[in-house]
Amino acid sequence: EADIYQTPRYLVIGTGKKITLECSQTMGHDKMYWYQQDPGMELHLIHYSYGVNSTEKGDLSSESTVSRIRTEHFPLTLESARPSHTSQYLCATAGFGSPLHFGNGTRLTVT
Amino acid sequence: SQKIEQNSEALNIQEGKTATLTCNYTNYSPAYLQWYRQDPGRGPVFLLLIRENEKEKRKERLKVTFDTTLKQSLFHITASQPADSATYLCALDLGRGSTLGRLYFGRGTQLTVWP
Repeated sequence: EADIYQTPRYLVIGTGKKITLECSQTMGHDKMYWYQQDPGMELHLIHYSYGVNSTEKGDLSSESTVSRIRTEHFPLTLESARPSHTSQYLCATAGFGSPLHFGNGTRLTVT
Repeated sequence: SQKIEQNSEALNIQEGKTATLTCNYTNYSPAYLQWYRQDPGRGPVFLLLIRENEKEKRKERLKVTFDTTLKQSLFHITASQPADSATYLCALDLGRGSTLGRLYFGRGTQLTVWP
């Protein structure tokens, strides 16, 4: 069954560590997105990609970076985690003219 | 400034009643408006999409209206059930040019349906 997978589901890490949040999909969608969501708040777009080797920054400034070397994968990297990066990170995909399909997110806590 | 506002408080209703959730927006001209459901600890799940030239859309017990003059969408759940308890998100899709597919979300309305 086509789906979208995010790992890890939960991550607690110390300040200054480098982390990579994984997102992979078997839906064959070209468009992929990373949203950030704090409890009780809106989802904010931080990165998106319309295909391989295409990445753009979203509306919310983020110190994270992304890459899109393969259609299926859209990892997000933080070179040096800080407590201000504590949040939930949601990955999503979309086909042409279709709504977003979300993964179940990674809840990141930086201590 | 651009804003998307959903019911300011959580909504609690009795099973069997109709839940009505509101989404108001300012300084946007969305081509599409979408509604998602989000359960605790999970990603949002798509429910319904309505286009700017549509007034109403239905799917089973769900109904969405879209009034571009009032800049408002209403989301109705009829014959509500405890399983409908979740947070419901309104999202605008400007649907034009480079913004195609990028959504702007409201904070959501937490709905609780009690037996």
